[in-house]
Amino acid sequence: DAGVTQSPTHLIKTRGQQVTLRCSPKSGHDTVSWYQQALGQGPQFIFQYYEEEERQRGNFPDRFSGHQFPNYSSELNVNALLLGDSALYLCASSPAGTHYGYTFGSGTRLTVV
Amino acid sequence: GENVEQHPSTLSVQEGDSAVIKCTYSDSASNYFPWYKQELGKGPQLIIDIRSNVGEKKDQRIAVTLNKTAKHFSLHITETQPEDSAVYFCAASKSGSARQLTFGSGTQLTVLP
Repeated sequence: DAGVTQSPTHLIKTRGQQVTLRCSPKSGHDTVSWYQQALGQGPQFIFQYYEEEERQRGNFPDRFSGHQFPNYSSELNVNALLLGDSALYLCASSPAGTHYGYTFGSGTRLTVV
Repeated sequence: GENVEQHPSTLSVQEGDSAVIKCTYSDSASNYFPWYKQELGKGPQLIIDIRSNVGEKKDQRIAVTLNKTAKHFSLHITETQPEDSAVYFCAASKSGSARQLTFGSGTQLTVLP
């Protein structure tokens, strides 16, 4: 049973560009959350998607947007990249009907140059 | 919003000794406290969690204690092994539609053989 899968694993972008990161949740999970983890810090909540709607957003600007598809997979889009957006982006899924026991993917390492 | 503080930031122990990591939280409404282990190049992995209606939970060599009055919780690892070396994060969340996690800043645990 595959866990949470994220793609790509690594990405290098230039300041000002746009990026799309992808996530497939664990089988049986319908809720997807995105977190940003800067080097040496704990993950920070970006937003959560459930039933193809953004359910809650953390303290991130509108440059960060997302989408959830009918098969529960999700995308994170970041526009007008800044150097400070360089981080590990983690996707987490949780079981249908509950929010306990998040399962995290291995993340996408984004470097903005 | 919720604020989670975690100490120490680094911890070195001899193999076989015990390790204790402590976290405090600010929001008295928080009622779910998971602990994650993150190895290099991987996403956080849930190792144990506790809900606010329980004061202690144990799973083999790992235990978590919760003091709701003082708003702090701790991770205890006994009989440490080299494979326990990793970064450990505490987190807190409260009831709500998204149950977003607020993470501590992490503890780098090194178990010396």
